[in-house]
Amino acid sequence: DIQLTQSPSFLSASVGDRVTITCRASQGISNHLAWYQQKPGKAPKLLINVASSLQSGVPPRFSGSASGTEFTLTISSMQPEDFAAYFCQQFHSFPITFGQGTRLEIK
Amino acid sequence: QVQLVQSGAEVEKPGASVKVSCKASGYTFTNNHLHWVRQAPGQGLEWMGRIDPSGGGTTYAQKFQGRLTMTRDTSTSTVHMELSSLRSEDTARYYCARDVFIGTCCKGVDVWGQGTTVTVSS
Repeated sequence: DIQLTQSPSFLSASVGDRVTITCRASQGISNHLAWYQQKPGKAPKLLINVASSLQSGVPPRFSGSASGTEFTLTISSMQPEDFAAYFCQQFHSFPITFGQGTRLEIK
Repeated sequence: QVQLVQSGAEVEKPGASVKVSCKASGYTFTNNHLHWVRQAPGQGLEWMGRIDPSGGGTTYAQKFQGRLTMTRDTSTSTVHMELSSLRSEDTARYYCARDVFIGTCCKGVDVWGQGTTVTVSS
């Protein structure tokens, strides 16, 4: 199985901060990675697909990038509605796997 | 609009089975694979498997082999997920989710059901 290691697990940030979350795959997955945002009590929401493609309707302050087996989600300027949990997911091979998640909290 | 609507909460005893349904609307049901993902309280996301609504083909995570069954009913645009031999560790919120890819799998999921809480308790 492909393991995805997300870091950090928890992050405190302030409104306006630039935030970066990393997801490292245990083996090569090409660009077969997605990022999701999840708010308490809600289903996840797709933000970024195929590593860097912004999903329709997602604000452009969200961006994704890839370098080898390391993937990055960046929020250029945190907004109050961005405080949530974020998960990466690989769909390169079965079983599909998720990172353990990053919880963004208000500082 | 595209929607996935799931059946309601379930409470089951250890050793029993549970069947959760997911009704699709707003798009051509057979075009997109559907996944089942679960989330235990306070935990992360766990992929369980996927089904191709067109041909009925399935892929299950090894962890659930032997006790997980996914089926589809094209006449009602509904997929079902049945998990048997339930134990307390199966207590979770279960989501169905539509794959982005049309005609094949997989490429992330863009539409999620509202989730179904399954509680396993004696």
